[in-house]
Amino acid sequence: AQSVTQLDSQVPVFEEAPVELRCNYSSSVSVYLFWYVQYPNQGLQLLLKYLSGSTLVKGINGFEAEFNKSQTSFHLRKPSVHISDTAEYFCAVENTGFQKLVFGTGTRLLVSP
Amino acid sequence: DAGVIQSPRHEVTEMGQEVTLRCKPISGHDYLFWYRQTMMRGLELLIYFNNNVPIDDSGMPEDRFSAKMPNASFSTLKIQPSEPRDSAVYFCASKPLSSGNTIYFGEGSWLTVV
Repeated sequence: AQSVTQLDSQVPVFEEAPVELRCNYSSSVSVYLFWYVQYPNQGLQLLLKYLSGSTLVKGINGFEAEFNKSQTSFHLRKPSVHISDTAEYFCAVENTGFQKLVFGTGTRLLVSP
Repeated sequence: DAGVIQSPRHEVTEMGQEVTLRCKPISGHDYLFWYRQTMMRGLELLIYFNNNVPIDDSGMPEDRFSAKMPNASFSTLKIQPSEPRDSAVYFCASKPLSSGNTIYFGEGSWLTVV
C-alpha cells in the first residue's frame, strides 16, 4: 500500500521569503502525486499534480513541485510567499491505475509580515 | 458547475443520536469518496464508490458507520449511534473516470457529538 510522509507539521516563514514543504512517499508501483491546499474552514483544492513527463510541475498561485523518483520525494516550493498563502498543505499519492488517494498529515504554512 | 455539495455544513448532536450526512457529487463524475479529518488522524479515506457501487470500505471505522449511494447524484454517510469520538469534519469528494484525475472536494460537514 502507498503512504505519504510530511515531516514538517508547521512551517513559519516571513512574507516574500522562499518556502519548501517536504513530501516523501512510499509505494511499490508507479504513482501519481498531488499537492492540495486547504484554507481555513474550507475543503481541499488542487494546487498541482504530477502524472508523467517533466519532473518539474507548475501549479496555481506560483507554486511548483519537483518529482524525484530516486529519493521518492515531491517537495513543494514557492520563491516568494504572501500572507494569503497561509493554509494547510497536503501531499497525496495515488497508485497508477487505482483510484484511491492517500494523504499525508499536512503541513501548516504560517506566513507573517 | 456547482461543485460537490454537502449538507449539513455544521451539526451538533448528542451522543447516541443518529447522524446523516449528505453529498451531491459533481454531475458526470464516476467516483465518490468519503473522507474524515481530525487533528489526531489527519485525512482518512472512509469509503469510495464507483458508479454507485462501494469499492473499498476498509476505512470505515466500525459498524456504527454506513454509507450508501442510491444513485449517481446522491450519497449518505450515517453514524448510528454517534459517539463524541466521531466529532470531525467529514468531506465528500468526487472525480471523473481514469486514474490521475483530480479529486474535487466539498466544503465539509463539521460534526460535533456532545
